[in-house]
Parts: sequence; C-alpha cells; structure tokens
Amino acid sequence: TQLLEQSPQFLSIQEGENLTVYCNSSSVFSSLQWYRQEPGEGPVLLVTVVTGGEVKKLKRLTFQFGDARKDSSLHITAAQPGDTGLYLCAGEYGGTSYGKLTFGQGTILTVHP
Amino acid sequence: ETGVTQTPRHLVMGMTNKKSLKCEQHLGHNAMYWYKQSAKKPLELMFVYNFKEQTENNSVPSRFSPECPNSSHLFLHLHTLQPEDSALYLCASSQVSAPQAFFGQGTRLTVV
Repeated sequence: TQLLEQSPQFLSIQEGENLTVYCNSSSVFSSLQWYRQEPGEGPVLLVTVVTGGEVKKLKRLTFQFGDARKDSSLHITAAQPGDTGLYLCAGEYGGTSYGKLTFGQGTILTVHP
Repeated sequence: ETGVTQTPRHLVMGMTNKKSLKCEQHLGHNAMYWYKQSAKKPLELMFVYNFKEQTENNSVPSRFSPECPNSSHLFLHLHTLQPEDSALYLCASSQVSAPQAFFGQGTRLTVV
C-alpha cells in the first residue's frame, strides 16, 4: 500500500506571509495532483504535475514536482484569507491506475487578516 | 460547480435503515468513483467504475453496495450501517485515460 506523507498538518499564518506544503512518498508517482477543499465541499483540482522537475504556477501558487517523481511541494506567496482551506496532494501510481488516487492527510491552512 | 452533482447533501439514518446516495456527472467522463472522507483520515477510495463496469472494490464492507447504470450516474446503496460509517462520501469522475478527478460536493452521512 502506497503512503503519501503530507506536512505540515496544520498551518496558521498572517496575511502576506509565504508558506510551503510538502508531499512525500517512497514510491514513484505517475502523476500527482493538488486539490483545495473548503468545509462542506468536495476537493477542487488545482494542478496536475506529470514530469519530474516540473514547475507550474497558478497566480500566487507554485507547484513543484521532484526530479525523481517521489515528492512535490506547494508554495503560496503573500497568502490571503481567501487561501484558507484544506490542501490535499494525491498521487497516482502506475500507468493503469487512472483516477485511483492515494491522498495525503491534508494540510489545514488558516490565513488571518 | 464542478459538473458532478451529489444528492442528498446531508443524510441522517438509523442503523436499520436503507438509503441510497446519488451522483451524476455532466462532463462526458467514462470513469466514476466513490471516496470516503473521515475525520483525521486521508480520503479513501472505495469503488471504481470504468465504462459502467466495476474495476475496483477496496475491501469495502458489503453493507455498501454500488451501482452504475450508465457512465453518467453512480449510486451507493446503504443498509445496516454502523456509527463508524459516518463520514463525508464523495463521488468523482474522470476520463479513463486521464489522471484528473473531478469531485462532487459530497454527502455528509450521519449514522445514529
């Protein structure tokens, strides 16, 4: 059973600060996705990374995929209260595991005004 | 609006009741999934359907019974549940050949 370790579990910061969330596995991902989930809602896809070393940017969010495709990070610059939520990484293992995602425990981010 | 709609949004049921959760996707996808999200635990994949055929059952107890009549609809039939089955049940869809999953808003289930 693949295990995805996500850290930190909780993050409480002030508006304007930067932060990084990490996602690590002992196994190689065929792809990795980041989701954001608000209370009472389902996860919403932010980004998919596929290639080792890949970097993707979504406004103030920067996603990086490790060269060995075993880890990923999400960096938020100048966090805003609207960024508050649960951030989830999800890995797909193996070429025939489409959509069968293994999720990390999630990082609960709170951005205070 | 993600294109995946789940009903009901909230459900309270007794341990002897029978109820069903419904999921409908309007994205033209050919794969659908049930996930369970419990407090302090990662999302757990329960069932996978590709082109209406069940391809994965992640050791889910038989008191959970999925049904996929076509590629756009997915049901989860519930009977004689336990209080520990209380959780957020999420439906998702994707293309079989693509990794991205699109989730519904979930059904918050409470078993009393």
